[in-house]
Amino acid sequence: GEDVEQSLFLSVREGDSSVINCTYTDSSSTYLYWYKQEPGAGLQLLTYIFSNMDMKQDQRLTVLLNKKDKHLSLRIADTQTGDSAIYFCAEEGSQGNLIFGKGTKLSVKP
Amino acid sequence: NAGVTQTPKFQVLKTGQSMTLQCAQDMNHNSMYWYRQDPGMGLRLIYYSASEGTTDKGEVPNGYNVSRLNKREFSLRLESAAPSQTSVYFCASSVEGRTYGYTFGSGTRLTVV
Repeated sequence: GEDVEQSLFLSVREGDSSVINCTYTDSSSTYLYWYKQEPGAGLQLLTYIFSNMDMKQDQRLTVLLNKKDKHLSLRIADTQTGDSAIYFCAEEGSQGNLIFGKGTKLSVKP
Repeated sequence: NAGVTQTPKFQVLKTGQSMTLQCAQDMNHNSMYWYRQDPGMGLRLIYYSASEGTTDKGEVPNGYNVSRLNKREFSLRLESAAPSQTSVYFCASSVEGRTYGYTFGSGTRLTVV
């Protein structure tokens, strides 16, 4: 079945790097996504990676994809307090929908 | 650009009451989705509409009905609300069959007492 797993919590100090990990099951996903949700807000697309890539960098964000292990990670460099949020990994479902992990709550301490 | 608009933003219902959550998009997307978000559970698909005139069940459809009123609008109805339906509901839309360009509404926070 389709499933996405990620750890629920991550705590880092301001200025450190954060790495959020995710495993997924559907190897046919064309795209894999990272969404960010700030408290009380909706989901904001943070970044995505095309399945034939193994890395994508976008300013402070680096996405790594290991298709063999079905492992996706999001690295945030120089983490700031404004990065505190819940981060969701998502793969494509068979119904054109997105299948989300349970979300990783990132806490950034000053 | 409004994108995906959900109404209302907040609602409190008593057990057994009914209500309809409204969703409209102005991006000419064919596909629309309803998700619910519960703490520690991520987002789970309730119902979706791949194109105008079609609706299908998702992962957690029990207790809900949907209507794809036209290409723009996709409503979610709770006929007899239960406390287990306390959640945040998100509507989303996309080009048919494609997750790239998925757009979410800002959510409806529903409490059933």
